[in-house]
Amino acid sequence: AQTVTQSQPEMSVQEAETVTLSCTYDTSENNYYLFWYKQPPSRQMILVIRQEAYKQQNATENRFSVNFQKAAKSFSLKISDSQLGDTAMYFCAFLLQGAQKLVFGQGTRLTINP
Amino acid sequence: GAVVSQHPSRVICKSGTSVKIECRSLDFQATTMFWYRQFPKQSLMLMATSNEGSKATYEQGVEKDKFLINHASLTLSTLTVTSAHPEDSSFYICSARGPLVLAGGTDTQYFGPGTRLTVL
Repeated sequence: AQTVTQSQPEMSVQEAETVTLSCTYDTSENNYYLFWYKQPPSRQMILVIRQEAYKQQNATENRFSVNFQKAAKSFSLKISDSQLGDTAMYFCAFLLQGAQKLVFGQGTRLTINP
Repeated sequence: GAVVSQHPSRVICKSGTSVKIECRSLDFQATTMFWYRQFPKQSLMLMATSNEGSKATYEQGVEKDKFLINHASLTLSTLTVTSAHPEDSSFYICSARGPLVLAGGTDTQYFGPGTRLTVL
């Protein structure tokens, strides 16, 4: 079975700083997808970024980028120029190709301080 | 695109009553929807996978007779908590597999805003 581990329960940075959230996963499969979801205080889950395992190029979405290291089974999220609105729980998730169920990590609570 | 709504956003009910929560895909058709439960400060726990026109697939430990799921159309799935008790109080979230036309297509789940259930 696949597992996802987020080793940082909480993080806190100053506004405008860059922060990196860690995520590792365990699978013996080769084809899968990885996601970062954001859950702000409103509790609405929002897709931040998506990565296909077959792509070597790291995904980016504006201030959000990932460092995908397939051999190391690592999928970290970098938030540049952090903003107060980035304060949220961040969940890393794994989806095996052809499967339906997302496997979530435990989450990292990120606080951006003014 | 890929907007998912839930109704109601909050519900308070008395112990022993049943509560229905609706999950709708507003701008796309979703053959597969998912129901999650989330306890405070914890991750999402998948309860069941809902497939249009067929019976839901429940995760181990989830009572089928207590949490009734109906996916009668391509845009609507409902979760009914039957004979609710205080221990059923929680935050319930639905999601839907995205449409093919979007980048990521059906391999990406889009989430509703959640429903907070309080059972007195």
